[in-house]
Amino acid sequence: DIQMTQSPSSLSASVGDRVSITCRASQSISTYLNWYQQKPGKAPKLLIYAASSLQSGVPSRFSGSGSGTDFTLTISSLQPEDFATYYCQQSYSDPTFGGGTKVEIK
Amino acid sequence: QLQLQESGPGLVKPSETLSLTCSVSGGSIISTEYYWGWIRQTPGKGLESIGSMYSNGRNTYYNPSLKSRVTISVDTSKNQFSLNVSSVTAADTAVYYCLRGGSSGSYHWFDPWGHGTLVTVSS
Repeated sequence: DIQMTQSPSSLSASVGDRVSITCRASQSISTYLNWYQQKPGKAPKLLIYAASSLQSGVPSRFSGSGSGTDFTLTISSLQPEDFATYYCQQSYSDPTFGGGTKVEIK
Repeated sequence: QLQLQESGPGLVKPSETLSLTCSVSGGSIISTEYYWGWIRQTPGKGLESIGSMYSNGRNTYYNPSLKSRVTISVDTSKNQFSLNVSSVTAADTAVYYCLRGGSSGSYHWFDPWGHGTLVTVSS
């Protein structure tokens, strides 16, 4: 299995902040990387696929970058509705997820 | 807008079979473009892929760690698909999500997901 490691596991930020979350794969996965947002009691929602492609309907303040083993999800200006947990997932082989990054209000 | 809804028992006894159904509305489950699958989530192991299949029953994928106990099937007449996990233990206690898988070329993703249903394994 390809292991996905996210950092940090949690962060505190204020509305309007620029936030970056990192995901590292245990081996190269090219750009086979997706990002999801999950709010408490809800299902995960796809934000980014293929490392940098924005899913339809997702605000443009979300962006993804990276290739190989290192990837980043960036929120350019954090909004109140963005406080949630974010997961990366590799689709290079049998799908696996990162452990999540919880974005909390500062 | 496509919506998925899980249904099934919330409590299953150890050694028995967990059975869930996902009802799809707002679109047809018959597709050569999309596939249908299940993922579960626990506080300890996080998000874990269980398996998936296309509506024609081909290209079935099962997580190797669960393959011996898992069956996914599709009922196109009811626009539903199902999950069976046999010989369950407490480790199978989780929130189970059904979802649609999409792709563009060799890139794959999961969207949308059902709301999720908690299944507890306990006597």
